[in-house]
Amino acid sequence: GAVVSQHPSWVICKSGTSVKIECRSLDFQATTMFWYRQFPKQSLMLMATSNEGSKATYEQGVEKDKFLINHASLTLSTLTVTSAHPEDSSFYICSARYGANYGYTFGSGTRLTVV
Amino acid sequence: GNSVTQMEGPVTLSEEAFLTINCTYTATGYPSLFWYVQYPGEGLQLLLKATKADDKGSNKGFEATYRKETTSFHLEKGSVQVSDSAVYFCALRYSSGGYNKLIFGAGTRLAVHP
Repeated sequence: GAVVSQHPSWVICKSGTSVKIECRSLDFQATTMFWYRQFPKQSLMLMATSNEGSKATYEQGVEKDKFLINHASLTLSTLTVTSAHPEDSSFYICSARYGANYGYTFGSGTRLTVV
Repeated sequence: GNSVTQMEGPVTLSEEAFLTINCTYTATGYPSLFWYVQYPGEGLQLLLKATKADDKGSNKGFEATYRKETTSFHLEKGSVQVSDSAVYFCALRYSSGGYNKLIFGAGTRLAVHP
């Protein structure tokens, strides 16, 4: 149980275009989801926390207009990287909180390459 | 602030060798501590956790003890297998802005050879 499906697993896009990454909870309702970014050989950095039906809360230093997060339903959160640039190339991972003890389940990640 | 530091990899071992991956943390208060594992092409999976000092988390032969005096949560396994090859992340949970959030170490890649 508590499976999160993340798509796409990898994407290549041109500079200036936008890319949408989806994160779906398959067998539970995810009230709260988290989006992380991971640079090579570095730790996962929390970008934002999203709650269903409300605006996302962004961590310090994360551009809200660059990384648009939508959590319109209890099973879907999306991250859109707008006007992508090569420096946005990274590994993006979503996570959802579940259960009474607030465990965390993670998607398999999306590798974004901007050329 | 909160932070997690874990040993750099990769760690390369032969099958049945003893494994230690060091993890230390800085935190305000008394955080819960976790080890997550990421197998190739998969998401992070919870391996074990400890919620208070002196707690020992264990799962699949892995163990880690929450040491408040040394602010450490080292991961150990007595006899590794090839199937243990993965990236291991140490993490702590803290509260901020009304949410419980995770902060991760950089990850340690483990490669086990037959």
